[in-house]
Amino acid sequence: DAGVTQSPTHLIKTRGQHVTLRCSPISGHKSVSWYQQVLGQGPQFIFQYYEKEERGRGNFPDRFSARQFPNYSSELNVNALLLGDSALYLCASSLVGIGNTEAFFGQGTRLTVV
Amino acid sequence: RKEVEQDPGPFNVPEGATVAFNCTYSNSASQSFFWYRQDCRKEPKLLMSVYSSGNEDGRFTAQLNRASQYISLLIRDSKLSDSATYLCVVNGGGGSYIPTFGRGTSLIVHP
Repeated sequence: DAGVTQSPTHLIKTRGQHVTLRCSPISGHKSVSWYQQVLGQGPQFIFQYYEKEERGRGNFPDRFSARQFPNYSSELNVNALLLGDSALYLCASSLVGIGNTEAFFGQGTRLTVV
Repeated sequence: RKEVEQDPGPFNVPEGATVAFNCTYSNSASQSFFWYRQDCRKEPKLLMSVYSSGNEDGRFTAQLNRASQYISLLIRDSKLSDSATYLCVVNGGGGSYIPTFGRGTSLIVHP
């Protein structure tokens, strides 16, 4: 069975550009969460979606947005990229939309903003 | 005070040693707790959930102390393959299920 898949795996963008990151959850999982991890820190929660509805939002600016599609895949969009947006972006899927269940992470998208 | 705090380490121990990590959290209403393991440049993977009564999985023991608001992870008989970063995760509190990760504790097991 396929795990959580993210694309692309690596990405280089310039300041001011826009980026879209994609995530496909494990089959049967209806919840997708997005995290940002900078070097030396733990993952920081950005968004959680369950059944195509936003269920949680972390402390990130409005430049960050996301959505979940009918097949439960998800996109994370970041506008007006800043150098500080350089990080590993992780997607996690879980069976249900509450945080008490195990989350399975994808391998991440490593974004570099230059 | 950070919501979830961990000593970043690194903890440098010989094979066979016993090592313990603590993680403190600030929200007394937090409802669920986990330990994740993250290898270098890889994604986090669930190591174990932490239950109120404490739980054990082989060489790993997790405990929760709600009164003092910390969770712990004990690793016995350390193996070289245990070298990784260990992340604690705290969920919930105040009607929210937003998970909060600690910054992680680095463990290096040497021969």
